[in-house]
This record gives sequence, C-alpha cells and structure tokens, in this order.
Amino acid sequence: NAGVMQNPRHLVRRRGQEARLRCSPMKGHSHVYWYRQLPEEGLKFMVYLQKENIIDESGMPKERFSAEFPKEGPSILRIQQVVRGDSAAYFCASSLNYGGTDEQYFGPGTRLTVT
Amino acid sequence: AQSVTQPDIHITVSEGASLELRCNYSYGATPYLFWYVQSPGQGLQLLLKYFSGDTLVQGIKGFEAEFKRSQSSFNLRKPSVHWSDAAEYFCAVGPDGGTSYGKLTFGQGTILTVHP
Repeated sequence: NAGVMQNPRHLVRRRGQEARLRCSPMKGHSHVYWYRQLPEEGLKFMVYLQKENIIDESGMPKERFSAEFPKEGPSILRIQQVVRGDSAAYFCASSLNYGGTDEQYFGPGTRLTVT
Repeated sequence: AQSVTQPDIHITVSEGASLELRCNYSYGATPYLFWYVQSPGQGLQLLLKYFSGDTLVQGIKGFEAEFKRSQSSFNLRKPSVHWSDAAEYFCAVGPDGGTSYGKLTFGQGTILTVHP
C-alpha cells in the first residue's frame, strides 16, 4: 500500500509565477490536510479537505492560495503570483476517517523555492 | 486557541544515553497528543499518540511518552539513544474543536543530535 505521494518534491518558481503542488492520499483515504513548514519553524495547518469539499481553511492566507480535492485525482494546492515569503516545505497528510483520533499519514513534502 | 511549546530547540546526547524531549501544551479540554519524527528531507512519521486511558504510552522505535495533566506536559523519552535517532521531533495537539477535528497544532520542533 503506497503511502501519501507528493509531487514535485522540489519546485523552483520566479516571483510572480504560479506554483501547483499535488498530493495523492493513501488508498482509501478521503481526508486530506495541507501544512506549511517555514524555515526553522514547526508545521502550520493550512487547510483540511474532503472529496469535493473544503472543511476548514482557517490556516490559508486570504489571497493567492487555494486548494481543491476533486472527486477524481489528487488534491492540489495552488499558489498564485508567488513571493519570496512563500518559500517553504509544504506537506500533505491524509487520514481514513474524520476525527481527531485518526492518524494522519504525511507525505515527503514539496520544497518550494521562490527566486 | 490551543498551542504547543517545545522549550528545547536543540539537544545533543551521546549514543546510549537516555533522552527526554519536553512538550507543554495549552488546550481547554482533554487533548489528543502526538509525537512525530522527521528525518532530513523526509515527511513526518508518527511515533506515538495519546487519547485517553493509561497516561504512559508506548510507541515505535523504543520511545514512550507520559501525559501529565497537572503539568500540561507530554514528554517523550527513550532509555538508550541510537545514532539513527538523530532527527527533528515534533509534538502536536489536536483536534481544535468545532468543525476542525482534523487540525493538528505543532510545536516548533526539537533537533536531536547524537554523538558517537
């Protein structure tokens, strides 16, 4: 059973470009979470999605960031018009069920560098 | 709002020595508590978790943690550290309550260096 997959693993974008980060949850998991890890900081929650629904986006910046988890295909975290401050590692996690007791399985992350 | 504090940014121990990593949390209700480990360039792996019941929980790789409600702490311990334990360790608390049952709040992490 493959784990959570993220691609690309490394992404370099110039200021003003768009970044698209993909996350394929573990097989059978329908709950996806995105976290951002800034340099020398812990992970910060961004958004929690279920298939075709955004459940909690309280950690998402108000502008330029969006996330989706379509019925088919991976979850996408999209950052428009990237700025240097967006440089970070972005981790996706998935869980089988809804609820705080369910383990979240993390992917290897996408390291975004904005030049 | 819930929060997690890991007071030690960096800890160095000798191989074979015992280890304790500190974690303090702030949460209004009974917390769900987790310890994750992150090796360089990798994702996070769950070491152990506490939801209820026995306050001493056992995890993978020989780690254990003790939940102490009176001290709002959930410290991670290992009796004898191996060189392969060198990594960054994160304490996390969840859920946030309301509709955000999945949200984990992480501490800033503790980097563990192991000397031979």
